[in-house]
Amino acid sequence: QKEVEQNSGPLSVPEGAIASLNCTYSDRGSQSFFWYRQYSGKSPELIMSIYSNGDKEDGRFTAQLNKASQYVSLLIRDSQPSDSATYLCAGTGSQGNLIFGKGTKLSVKP
Amino acid sequence: GAGVSQSPRYKVAKRGQDVALRCDPISGHVSLFWYQQALGQGPEFLTYFQNEAQLDKSGLPSDRFFAERPEGSVSTLKIQRTQQEDSAVYLCASSRTRVPPLHFGNGTRLTVT
Repeated sequence: QKEVEQNSGPLSVPEGAIASLNCTYSDRGSQSFFWYRQYSGKSPELIMSIYSNGDKEDGRFTAQLNKASQYVSLLIRDSQPSDSATYLCAGTGSQGNLIFGKGTKLSVKP
Repeated sequence: GAGVSQSPRYKVAKRGQDVALRCDPISGHVSLFWYQQALGQGPEFLTYFQNEAQLDKSGLPSDRFFAERPEGSVSTLKIQRTQQEDSAVYLCASSRTRVPPLHFGNGTRLTVT
């Protein structure tokens, strides 16, 4: 069973701090990874994609991929209350589908 | 519209009824995916299409679930003889290419009573 694992949280950080979200995956054949943000009652929204080892930065968000350790992370700098949401990690499966983790709930306290 | 459109937004069905959920992907998107999301859980893969071909249906939980995309655009997910455990949000997503990233619709919330 190919899986994507995330700590369900909740992860609570103060406003302005760095939030660190982590994810591991079991399928060594996975090539592409994505972070989605999902507000309560809404559909997932793509915030980052990463395809190669290393870091990828986009504004306050940095995605990190380590294929040897099968580990993906998302850092959110200068966290804002509006960042409070569930963050979903996803990786591609061998059939081209996209497999999601259960999500980590982030709460940013003012 | 510019996004993935799903209908209905909400559906209440009595146990044993059949339901059909519709997904209209972004125009020109090749790939279309269906996911089931229970409360507090991540989206669970059901099935996906490239154009009209259903390439993977390994996530469909039982033979009561059936999906089609006959002309390679609009897709319908049909659930026969609904059960209470089918209550969930059904998400449709599409992708411009053969691989993700995916753009999600607003989902259909199905409640089976």
